Amino acid sequence: AQSVTQLDSHVSVSEGTPVLLRCNYSSSYSPSLFWYVQHPNKGLQLLLKYTSAATLVKGINGFEAEFKKSETSFHLTKPSAHMSDAAEYFCVTSGTYKYIFGTGTRLKVLA
Amino acid sequence: DTAVSQTPKYLVTQMGNDKSIKCEQNLGHDTMYWYKQDSKKFLKIMFSYNNKELIINETVPNRFSPKSPDKAHLNLHINSLELGDSAVYFCASSIAGGPQETQYFGPGTRLLVL
Repeated sequence: AQSVTQLDSHVSVSEGTPVLLRCNYSSSYSPSLFWYVQHPNKGLQLLLKYTSAATLVKGINGFEAEFKKSETSFHLTKPSAHMSDAAEYFCVTSGTYKYIFGTGTRLKVLA
Repeated sequence: DTAVSQTPKYLVTQMGNDKSIKCEQNLGHDTMYWYKQDSKKFLKIMFSYNNKELIINETVPNRFSPKSPDKAHLNLHINSLELGDSAVYFCASSIAGGPQETQYFGPGTRLLVL
């Protein structure tokens, strides 16, 4: 069965420093993988997605993620954190007619 | 010009009541979904519809009854509300149901059962 595991429930970074949010996946075939962001009391916004094209995926707001089959990972990165990046981030894989969510990583950005 | 909209945004009600949440998408998508986000932020699929037909019912109690009157609408009716139903309910839609399809989410309906 497909699944994703987000390795950190909370991550704190200082403004201007790099962000790394870790996600490992489990799938018996080439997966589709997504990162979504949820700001407090808001809906879910797509940051980026991987669907077996380029392994380095660029998303919105300066985020990117790299698909590494050998490590079964799809970590989300950003070179320089901004205060507005503080939010909950979800790594997602998909089956037919459904998304399978990770447990989320809360990103805190310190001034 | 909201892509996926939900009403109401907030819903506070008493245990035992019946309530409905409405969802509409103007993206021309064929597939719509309901997800539940619990108090720990965990999101799980409840139902999937394709062309108004139920495709997935993920072991949801039968107090929850989705209805899709047309491809642009997917409503969720909940009977005999329980405390454990308190959650945020998200509607989503996609072009089709394949694994590569991006799902677009509504703003959520925050349900509190007292």
